[in-house]
Amino acid sequence: NAGVTQTPKFQVLKTGQSMTLQCAQDMNHNSMYWYRQDPGMGLRLIYYSASEGTTDKGEVPNGYNVSRLNKREFSLRLESAAPSQTSVYFCASSASGHNQPQHFGDGTRLSIL
Amino acid sequence: AQSVTQLGSHVSVSEGALVLLRCNYSSSVPPYLFWYVQYPNQGLQLLLKYTSAATLVKGINGFEAEFKKSETSFHLTKPSAHMSDAAEYFCAVISGNTPLVFGKGTRLSVIA
Repeated sequence: NAGVTQTPKFQVLKTGQSMTLQCAQDMNHNSMYWYRQDPGMGLRLIYYSASEGTTDKGEVPNGYNVSRLNKREFSLRLESAAPSQTSVYFCASSASGHNQPQHFGDGTRLSIL
Repeated sequence: AQSVTQLGSHVSVSEGALVLLRCNYSSSVPPYLFWYVQYPNQGLQLLLKYTSAATLVKGINGFEAEFKKSETSFHLTKPSAHMSDAAEYFCAVISGNTPLVFGKGTRLSVIA
């Protein structure tokens, strides 16, 4: 069972470049989430999609955009990467409702020079 | 708004000793509470979840947590640490219809 798949696993960008992080889940979940993880900061929510066709801002949305392409896929785009966006990015999915357990991908490690 | 405080960014225990990871929450309504574990270079995995059905919640790998409303706490324990328990542990809270909020994590080291 694949669960939540994130691509790529690693990426190095230069300041100002753009990039899309991909996420797909095969558990027929309605809700999907993007987080960033920084040392000592825990996980912070960037954007989420409660269901197909809807997206909402989380705690740290600035500098990011998202697309819920279909029920399976939820992408995160950096239009003009900045060094402050160097982080590990996690995608997660859950059944409907924020009180359902979330299933996480293995992360994308992004460095911006 | 809800929040979570994990006391101690790093906890070190000897193999076979009690593991106690502390979590206090703030919520204006009855919360849902979670513990997740993250092994190196992996995503988070659910350890256990409190949903008000029982105050003592048993999870995977011998972990359990007790919900104490009077103390607004949800501490994670395991009677006997194993080397494989070395990981980072995150407490998280939901209340109302807002997304999950994570604590900053506690890294557990197990010494042989």
